[in-house]
Amino acid sequence: NAGVTQTPKFRVLKTGQSMTLLCAQDMNHEYMYWYRQDPGMGLRLIHYSVGEGTTAKGEVPDGYNVSRLKKQNFLLGLESAAPSQTSVYFCASKRTDANEKLFFGSGTQLSVL
Amino acid sequence: EDQVTQSPEALRLQEGESSSLNCSYTVSGLRGLFWYRQDPGKGPEFLFTLYSAGEEKEKERLKATLTKKESFLHITAPKPEDSATYLCAVQAAGNNRKLIWGLGTSLAVNP
Repeated sequence: NAGVTQTPKFRVLKTGQSMTLLCAQDMNHEYMYWYRQDPGMGLRLIHYSVGEGTTAKGEVPDGYNVSRLKKQNFLLGLESAAPSQTSVYFCASKRTDANEKLFFGSGTQLSVL
Repeated sequence: EDQVTQSPEALRLQEGESSSLNCSYTVSGLRGLFWYRQDPGKGPEFLFTLYSAGEEKEKERLKATLTKKESFLHITAPKPEDSATYLCAVQAAGNNRKLIWGLGTSLAVNP
């Protein structure tokens, strides 16, 4: 049972480049989330999804887009990367709204030069 | 404004030296308070959920308690493998999506 898998684990981009981060979960969870974690800022919610085909904005959505075409996958896209998007990105999932236990992936370390 | 503050920022203990980590919160009605452990280079791992004042949860050397204003994570006779960052998060009543995260306490346990 792999849980939540994120790819890639590391990436370096130049300003203006685009990329997609992939999150896959094999627990049949309805809810999926993308967070970023920065020193002194804690975990901040970027976007989330409450089920296949749905997405919603979190607290820091600007510069990111997401898609949830399949229940098990949640993609985070950066259309035109900026240095301010240098961060560690975590995907998380949970079974239902009532069950608040989040399962996290191991993270993607992204540097934008 | 909803807020979560964790203290201390960092704590260094000798193996076997018990201590407590603090999570103070200000929310408009508490739906749940969560403790996670995060190892370097990994995502947070769930430890406990507490829902109401007076509630306590235990797991091995860890015990979490909750009052109306704060939560404590007590670590009894810690071992080096307990070294990690411990994160606290709070969910306010009525806000079904957003967790308010603290910045964490970095714990180092020396052998």
